[in-house]
Amino acid sequence: DQQVKQNSPSLSVQEGRISILNCDYTNSMFDYFLWYKKYPAEGPTFLISISSIKDKNEDGRFTVFLNKSAKHLSLHIVPSQPGDSAVYFCAASGKGSQGNLIFGKGTKLSVKP
Amino acid sequence: NAGVTQTPKFQVLKTGQSMTLQCAQDMNHEYMSWYRQDPGMGLRLIHYSVGAGITDQGEVPNGYNVSRSTTEDFPLRLLSAAPSQTSVYFCASTALDRGNTEAFFGQGTRLTVV
Repeated sequence: DQQVKQNSPSLSVQEGRISILNCDYTNSMFDYFLWYKKYPAEGPTFLISISSIKDKNEDGRFTVFLNKSAKHLSLHIVPSQPGDSAVYFCAASGKGSQGNLIFGKGTKLSVKP
Repeated sequence: NAGVTQTPKFQVLKTGQSMTLQCAQDMNHEYMSWYRQDPGMGLRLIHYSVGAGITDQGEVPNGYNVSRSTTEDFPLRLLSAAPSQTSVYFCASTALDRGNTEAFFGQGTRLTVV
């Protein structure tokens, strides 16, 4: 059973608009959440993270929102740029298993000029 | 700063052959791990290590062995390759002492077992 779910395999957005990528989780023991970006033939690169004690974390164009009651997080990219086109993975870890990341299946974002 | 280095980048094996995927990091991280990525499956944890001499199994450990004799190196061994092990393998290292779990990944090894 998937503990981290990204239900949208793909998303297409116009350049300059907002991209919203969603992620749901089932394990209430998760206390740290991360987003990774992956280009073809490269390893995932860390984008942004959020601790369960927060509900929002912002870094430049990227903002992650966490709704613990709904077990839902989202990544907002504003404004979207063509270089943001990649696969985005949501990941989670829990206390006592720090470093062991549980990944979603990923969402392929395409930003069209 | 090289970060996490994986070798080889590509490998084709015959069923039953064995091989070792190399992983080295120069960030002095205690925690290292191996993941595999299959189409439509995301990344799944194979084995991990919280320090030299300590290893443990992840979600999909069968068919793989690991060892951690130094902080820098964490090789992954395929004992007898099977077509089901065709995948892209990623090594990662994490600085747990920073209170977060941001993992730095290598470029990956694309393995095909025929």
